[in-house]
Amino acid sequence: AQKITQTQPGMFVQEKEAVTLDCTYDTSDPSYGLFWYKQPSSGEMIFLIYQGSYDQQNATEGRYSLNFQKARKSANLVISASQLGDSAMYFCAMREFNTNAGKSTFGDGTTLTVKP
Amino acid sequence: DAGVIQSPRHEVTEMGQEVTLRCKPISGHNSLFWYRQTMMRGLELLIYFNNNVPIDDSGMPEDRFSAKMPNASFSTLKIQPSEPRDSAVYFCASSLGTKDNEQFFGPGTRLTVL
Repeated sequence: AQKITQTQPGMFVQEKEAVTLDCTYDTSDPSYGLFWYKQPSSGEMIFLIYQGSYDQQNATEGRYSLNFQKARKSANLVISASQLGDSAMYFCAMREFNTNAGKSTFGDGTTLTVKP
Repeated sequence: DAGVIQSPRHEVTEMGQEVTLRCKPISGHNSLFWYRQTMMRGLELLIYFNNNVPIDDSGMPEDRFSAKMPNASFSTLKIQPSEPRDSAVYFCASSLGTKDNEQFFGPGTRLTVL
C-alpha cells in the first residue's frame, strides 16, 4: 500500500492567491514526522516545513502552513499569496520513528504552476 | 555552510562501465541518505547510514549497486556494471539524526548510461 499519496499530479493557481496541495499518509506507527519539499525546475530539493505526529499545533513557516488532520491522516500544504517563484514540484514525505528504522517515504509529487 | 556536496554533477557513460558517485555531507550531520529519482519511479530511497553504519539498504536495486561510508565526511555509491536503466538523478542528503530533523539534499548527479 502507498504510504504517501499525493492525488494531484498538477495544480494551477493565480498569482497572489492561496493554494492547498493534498497529502494523505498511511502508518500504524504512533510516532512519525511529515515533511514537505519543493523541487524547482533546476532540480534541487528544498525543505519547506515539518510536522510531528505529537505536535499540538499546525506548523507554519512564512507563507507555508501545514493543515494537519491526524484522524484523517492528512497533511496538506497551504501556500498563501502565491508567487511566480512557487512554480515547482512539491513532495510530501513521512518518516516513521519506531518502525522502518526512520526511513523516509516520499509521495509522487504535485506540480504547481503559478499563473501571472 | 557549503551544504551537501555531490560529484560529479553530470556523468555520461557507456553500458558496462563502472560509475562512482560521491557525496560529502554537511559537517556535523550523522545521517546520510542516497536517493534515486526517475520519471517512472519517482524518488526512491536506496540506502541510508547513521554514524557511518548502513542502517537500511533494502532500496538498493540489485548487487550491481553498492554504497560505502568510510568516514563521517564522505560516502560513495558505486554501480558496476552500469546499465541504461540506471539512468537517473542520484541525490545524496544528510541530516542531524534520523527522526524529526529535515534532510538537506545535495544538487544531485545526473547519470546517463548509453
